[in-house]
Amino acid sequence: KAGVTQTPRYLIKTRGQQVTLSCSPISGHRSVSWYQQTPGQGLQFLFEYFSETQRNKGNFPGRFSGRQFSNSRSEMNVSTLELGDSALYLCASSLPGQTSGGQETQYFGPGTRLLVL
Amino acid sequence: AQKITQTQPGMFVQEKEAVTLDCTYDTSDPSYGLFWYKQPSSGEMIFLIYQGSYDQQNATEGRYSLNFQKARKSANLVISASQLGDSAMYFCAMFGGFKTIFGAGTRLFVKA
Repeated sequence: KAGVTQTPRYLIKTRGQQVTLSCSPISGHRSVSWYQQTPGQGLQFLFEYFSETQRNKGNFPGRFSGRQFSNSRSEMNVSTLELGDSALYLCASSLPGQTSGGQETQYFGPGTRLLVL
Repeated sequence: AQKITQTQPGMFVQEKEAVTLDCTYDTSDPSYGLFWYKQPSSGEMIFLIYQGSYDQQNATEGRYSLNFQKARKSANLVISASQLGDSAMYFCAMFGGFKTIFGAGTRLFVKA
């Protein structure tokens, strides 16, 4: 079974531009979460989608948005890029109820490294 | 509010020895899941082990075991027989309310 895929793997943008990152979950997984990882802030939760609905979101400005399609693929968009948006963006997918406690083990993609100049 | 604390920024262990990575958590939810992930230099997060809040026994997965002490709100990862390939960042995480929060991580160095 193929893992979580993210495209593109690397991206260089300039301040003020916008960017769209894509995530394809493991086949059968319907939940997709996005995280931002930086050396200073660590791993921070952006948002989570299940069946095209956002169920939770982290403390990020409105410039960060996402969506999920009917095939569970997800995209996140960052508008008006700032230097501080340079980070590794990780996507994770999960199959709700897959563990004994009904919790969701998340499987991560390789990430997209975004550099904002 | 949920919180995960990893107090060891870096750890060294001799190859073939066991090592314990510490993790404490805080939540008011009665139902939650605790996870450990490994992140090599390539950046990909690799799932290692899971412990549910209602699980009575400590989770084990091969060389990994999770020392779950619910009353103390700790979920330490034990790696037995360390290998050079275990050198990586290790993150403790907690799932609840449709989101997962991560600790700051512990960088493990395995010495030959």
